Amino acid sequence: GAGVSQTPSNKVTEKGKYVELRCDPISGHTALYWYRQSLGQGPEFLIYFQGTGAADDSGLPNDRFFAVRPEGSVSTLKIQRTERGDSAVYLCASSLKGHEQFFGPGTRLTVL
Amino acid sequence: GQSLEQPSEVTAVEGAIVQINCTYQTSGFYGLSWYQQHDGGAPTFLSYNALDGLEETGRFSSFLSRSDSYGYLLLQELQMKDSASYFCAVREAGNMLTFGGGTRLMVKP
Repeated sequence: GAGVSQTPSNKVTEKGKYVELRCDPISGHTALYWYRQSLGQGPEFLIYFQGTGAADDSGLPNDRFFAVRPEGSVSTLKIQRTERGDSAVYLCASSLKGHEQFFGPGTRLTVL
Repeated sequence: GQSLEQPSEVTAVEGAIVQINCTYQTSGFYGLSWYQQHDGGAPTFLSYNALDGLEETGRFSSFLSRSDSYGYLLLQELQMKDSASYFCAVREAGNMLTFGGGTRLMVKP
């Protein structure tokens, strides 16, 4: 079956702009996670959804970052007033059982 | 604070066995996972240990000692395609994962 998909695969933007990153989880997976990964480092947790609600958003670095999952399936990560330090690969994962997470290919965000 | 320590790089030859260690210090602990990530690719799940002991899945095995806050991933009969980064990750409350910095494994012929 289809895996987790993320769009766009690459996003280049200018400092101060607004961006939206989309994640389509595996059908039927109730849990959805956002991580970001900088070069040479492990993924860093941002936010976790169980169904439509954000169960844990403790990893969001500041209030410029926001994520939604209005119908319990697709999720959008929104970043306002982007900064150069936001440049990273943003990974989405979904799961049915808690311990096995299926990751998408990521969106590479570059802020110029 | 929360931290996971693993070696940054390991090199081994084809057909050999390699062990990647992980020590962790986290506020919550439900289990230890291992993920593989090829350059430019997505992390893929390899194994999970919630209880002490060894879990075997084909050529890969993973071990956990909760009392020592320690685990390892054992890769046997190494193949060139095993060259990748390997991450240990602690599963905490709410199923979030806290990842280590990754171990880059280079398999040489």
